[in-house]
Amino acid sequence: QVQLQESGPGLVKPSQTLSLTCTVSGGSIRSGGYYWSWIRQLPGKGLEWIGYIYYSGSTYYNPSLQSRVTISVDTSKNQFSLNLTSVTAADTAVYFCARDPSTTRLDYWGQGTPVTVSS
Amino acid sequence: DVVMTQSPLSLPVTLGQPASISCRSSHSLVSSDGNTYFSWFQQRPGQSPRRLIYKVSNRDSGVPDRFSGSGSGTDFTLKIIRVEAEDVGVYYCMQGTHWPYTFGQGTMLEIK
Repeated sequence: QVQLQESGPGLVKPSQTLSLTCTVSGGSIRSGGYYWSWIRQLPGKGLEWIGYIYYSGSTYYNPSLQSRVTISVDTSKNQFSLNLTSVTAADTAVYFCARDPSTTRLDYWGQGTPVTVSS
Repeated sequence: DVVMTQSPLSLPVTLGQPASISCRSSHSLVSSDGNTYFSWFQQRPGQSPRRLIYKVSNRDSGVPDRFSGSGSGTDFTLKIIRVEAEDVGVYYCMQGTHWPYTFGQGTMLEIK
């Protein structure tokens, strides 16, 4: 069964760039029919979908974050990554990566990684 | 964006009793391909969300059959026929028909 694992710094300074990587195991990121998503959970609040990427590199971003978000893929490492620029305290959240089948939408999620934006 | 509104937001339930959560969307979730990309997730304390139901009424592998999903268009329901202790957590609905995907606010299920 596919497994996803997020990694990256747990603390980022305001105005800097948040960078996270999701490593996929138990399946190839190049499998057709699957997108690869990032979602975040703001403290004490609900879930916000950030965007997704296909193995070919095509992306879709949530318009609320589009100006600051880049999602990329490295098929040789079976990984995809999230970059969020110009972060503020409002970006403090637990960040999840997930597999996103085109036929059913989000199914398998990583365990999540907490990121705090603070000086 | 499509707004997903859940009710109730808090759901105290006695063990062995049924529970029901409602989710309403601001737009029809029927896709141009005829599918309705609506899911339910369970998030236990300290864990990541786990999908229970996809495309309105399909249970994911390993999900107990006491969970069921129903609905159409803009109104959807998750039912648990007999609540067990392991069902404690927050339940979210999600639509994946319109981009960006959006989630409900969450319903916290607790044992009375």
